Amino acid sequence: NFMLTQPHSVSESPGKTVTISCTRSSGSIASNYVQWYQQRPGSSPTTVIYEDNQRPSGVPDRFSGSIDSSSNSASLTISGLKTEDEADYYCQSYDSSNYWVFGGGTKLTVL
Amino acid sequence: EVQLVQSGAEVKKPGESLKISCKGSGYSFTSYWIGWVRQMPGKGLEWMGIIYPGDSDTRYSPSFQGQVTISADKSISTAYLQWSSLKASDTAMYYCAKGATAYYFDYWGQGTLVTVSS
Repeated sequence: NFMLTQPHSVSESPGKTVTISCTRSSGSIASNYVQWYQQRPGSSPTTVIYEDNQRPSGVPDRFSGSIDSSSNSASLTISGLKTEDEADYYCQSYDSSNYWVFGGGTKLTVL
Repeated sequence: EVQLVQSGAEVKKPGESLKISCKGSGYSFTSYWIGWVRQMPGKGLEWMGIIYPGDSDTRYSPSFQGQVTISADKSISTAYLQWSSLKASDTAMYYCAKGATAYYFDYWGQGTLVTVSS
């Protein structure tokens, strides 16, 4: 199976842009969709990006997703940061047998 | 409105059995995968497995295969996560979630906190 590696933490100021990476250890990042989930403290996760770059209804367009085959990684970019964006973010993908994998999570601090 | 309502918090002793539940409503329960995710205290999300209630097709993470049983009762739109013999290391929050497709979740339950302590 493969792993998804994320930075442990990132921080940025309100109004700025931050990018969180998610690197796949084996197999092509492009071969299976990548999703991103947001988990605020004390709450259940919610989906902010699905199928690499699609936003569910209700998710602001400040959130965007992309993949980069050259680095075998996916990225979540949040622009115009707000204090409410402070949360843990997890990437998730799956393999050909439909076994899912979560990344270790990235704690975003907006200060 | 799609809702996943999980059973309440549990406090158990090592060696005891447990079955927690997740009731779906607001959608066709038999037409979408339901999965379970573990979150140990202060840690990240871990995918445990998924079940398709329509035909009970079930997939387990290798890390959880043989350790838990995932099932569903489509007559009452409820999925279950079961342990036959709990360990202290099973202490965690457990989330159920509805699969929008076979490869990602779109709705999550509120979580069930399981505490295993002697």
